Amino acid sequence: GIQVEQSPPDLILQEGANSTLRCNFSDSVNNLQWFHQNPWGQLINLFYIPSGTKQNGRLSATTVATERYSLLYISSSQTTDSGVYFCAGGGRGGADGLTFGKGTHLIIQP
Amino acid sequence: GAVVSQHPSWVICKSGTSVKIECRSLDFQATTMFWYRQFPKQSLMLMATSNEGSKATYEQGVEKDKFLINHASLTLSTLTVTSAHPEDSSFYICSATTPSGRALEQYFGPGTRLTVT
Repeated sequence: GIQVEQSPPDLILQEGANSTLRCNFSDSVNNLQWFHQNPWGQLINLFYIPSGTKQNGRLSATTVATERYSLLYISSSQTTDSGVYFCAGGGRGGADGLTFGKGTHLIIQP
Repeated sequence: GAVVSQHPSWVICKSGTSVKIECRSLDFQATTMFWYRQFPKQSLMLMATSNEGSKATYEQGVEKDKFLINHASLTLSTLTVTSAHPEDSSFYICSATTPSGRALEQYFGPGTRLTVT
């Protein structure tokens, strides 16, 4: 099956800093998503991005499908951005369950 | 749009009993639903894929007789943990795909925290 590697595993930043989270895939994926898991465990969909670049406010993501990696950018970090960020991929689209990376634990200090 | 609910949000049961968890897509029809499990401070692991009207497909290492999945309609899938034991204590999360629009994106429920005593 697909292997998903996320880096860094932990990241501590001051409020206002920018950060880049990376996700590498061992094989091509047709479904690639980024999530933020809140303290109650709910997964918040950030981006569905099997290829290309998308932006949503202070967050943006880029996936280079040919090189099997994706990046999540967080600009002007706020303390509310703290939490675990997961990327996940699936090989055959909607019929395929997602393989999750181990996550990046982000702490934004005031 | 694309809201998925789960019930209950948490449950405590005694060892040997069975527990049913419901996953509902509230504002769309989901041809496929997925069940994941997350242990503390770990990532999510896919347990099974559930298609409406057909038998679920289980991932390697997941006991189909222990984790019974039923997908009776396009908006409801259930996971029953049979003869639960303390090692089954975990956070169970379902997801669903919508067949229209961005058909490949999965939307996740809020999860169910199971504690087996």
